[in-house]
Amino acid sequence: DIQMTQSPSSLSASVGDRVTITCRASQSIASYLNWYQHKPGKAPNLLIYAISRLQSGVPSRFSGSKSGTDYTLTINSLQPEDFATYYCQQSFSTPLTFGGGTKVEIK
Amino acid sequence: QITLIESGPTLVKPTQTLTLTCTFSGFSLSDSGVGVAWIRQPPGKALEWLAIFYWDEDKQYSTSLKNRLSITKDTSRNQVVLTMTNMDPVDSGTYFCAHSLHDAADYRYLDYWGQGTLVTVSS
Repeated sequence: DIQMTQSPSSLSASVGDRVTITCRASQSIASYLNWYQHKPGKAPNLLIYAISRLQSGVPSRFSGSKSGTDYTLTINSLQPEDFATYYCQQSFSTPLTFGGGTKVEIK
Repeated sequence: QITLIESGPTLVKPTQTLTLTCTFSGFSLSDSGVGVAWIRQPPGKALEWLAIFYWDEDKQYSTSLKNRLSITKDTSRNQVVLTMTNMDPVDSGTYFCAHSLHDAADYRYLDYWGQGTLVTVSS
């Protein structure tokens, strides 16, 4: 199975901050990388697929990129509704494994 | 409008078999590229992908749980059913089903999710 390692596991940030979350795969996954946002008691929400393709309806302050073996989710100008846990997921091969999550908390 | 609703028991005893049903609307599991996946989240832990049923009848399972899982569909009822045998307290958590799209560019993603159903395993 492909292992997905996310960092950091948690972070504290203020409204208006720029936040970056990183995900690394245990083997090559090409461009098959998705990002989800999950709030307690709610259904997870797809933000980005294929590294950088924004899902319909997702604000443009969310963006995704790849550099070397690292995949990055960036939130520009963090908003109050963005405090949540974020997960990466590889879709290169089944099982379609998730990262361990990054909890974004209010500073 | 795509919706998915999970249902099943909230409490099961250790060693029992869990049966969860995902009832969906707004799409057909016969449509090319479509699948229904199951994902769970133990309390305070990360999401864990469990299984998927694809439009072409293909089924895929978590490597660590494949001996305990079975995923089937009931086309007439627009349902996908997940069964997990030999339940243990560590299997407690919220179980989600989700609509999976395998698009023309070969990307796969979970674009619609149910609200989840909480399952507790305890004697």
